[in-house]
Amino acid sequence: ETGVTQTPRHLVMGMTNKKSLKCEQHLGHNAMYWYKQSAKKPLELMFVYSLEERVENNSVPSRFSPECPNSSHLFLHLHTLQPEDSALYLCASSQYYGSQTYNEQFFGPGTRLTVL
Amino acid sequence: AQSVAQPEDQVNVAEGNPLTVKCTYSVSGNPYLFWYVQYPNRGLQFLLKYITGDNLVKGSYGFEAEFNKSQTSFHLKKPSALLSDSALYFCAVILTTSGTYKYIFGTGTRLKV
Repeated sequence: ETGVTQTPRHLVMGMTNKKSLKCEQHLGHNAMYWYKQSAKKPLELMFVYSLEERVENNSVPSRFSPECPNSSHLFLHLHTLQPEDSALYLCASSQYYGSQTYNEQFFGPGTRLTVL
Repeated sequence: AQSVAQPEDQVNVAEGNPLTVKCTYSVSGNPYLFWYVQYPNRGLQFLLKYITGDNLVKGSYGFEAEFNKSQTSFHLKKPSALLSDSALYFCAVILTTSGTYKYIFGTGTRLKV
C-alpha cells in the first residue's frame, strides 16, 4: 500500500450522470494530483493542488471539476461525460510541489471509469 | 518540444537474464528523471530518481538506472530478471519553466519475464 486510497475502484456511468471520485492520502503530503491514464497514451496530468490551492489546470474540459477541501482529500466531480473520457483516473500525492523539491509521487490504485 | 521517450512498447526477457528498459529525454536545462512501475490493477510505484550526483542510481527491488548526459538517456537495468518484474514501466522527467513544475511521463514499456 502506498498510503493513497481511491474510491470507487470501478465506476460505470451514463453520459447524463453526475458522479464523484474520491482520493485520500495518509502521508502528510502537501501536494495532490489527478492523472488520466488511457491505453497506449502517456499519463495526462489533469490538475495539481498545493496546500489546497489549485496550481495547475492542464486544459481539462469543464465537465471535470476538482475539489480539494483539505490537504488529505481530493475529489474529481464528473458531469455530462463523453465515452472518450473512459479511462483509469489516478490520484497521486507528493510531499511538496515546487521547482526546488524533486519529490517522487505516491499513487493510488486508480478508478476505472467507463462512460456509456 | 521537451519530452521523454520510451522507444519500446514491450521488452521480453528470460528469467535470470539481465534486463534493460530504455528511456531518452529531451529537455532544456538539467533533467530530473524518474522511473515508476505499474503492476496490474495498481497505481504507479516509484522505483528511483536522478536529480544530481552519481550517474548510476540504485533503487527498489534491485533496479538501477544510468544517467548518460551525452546520449540523453536514462535506461533502467537489472542484473537478473524475476518473474515478478513483469509489469508496465514508466520513465518520467520533471520540467521546470517559469515557476511551474510538471511531470512528463513516457508512454510506458511492458516488461514480460
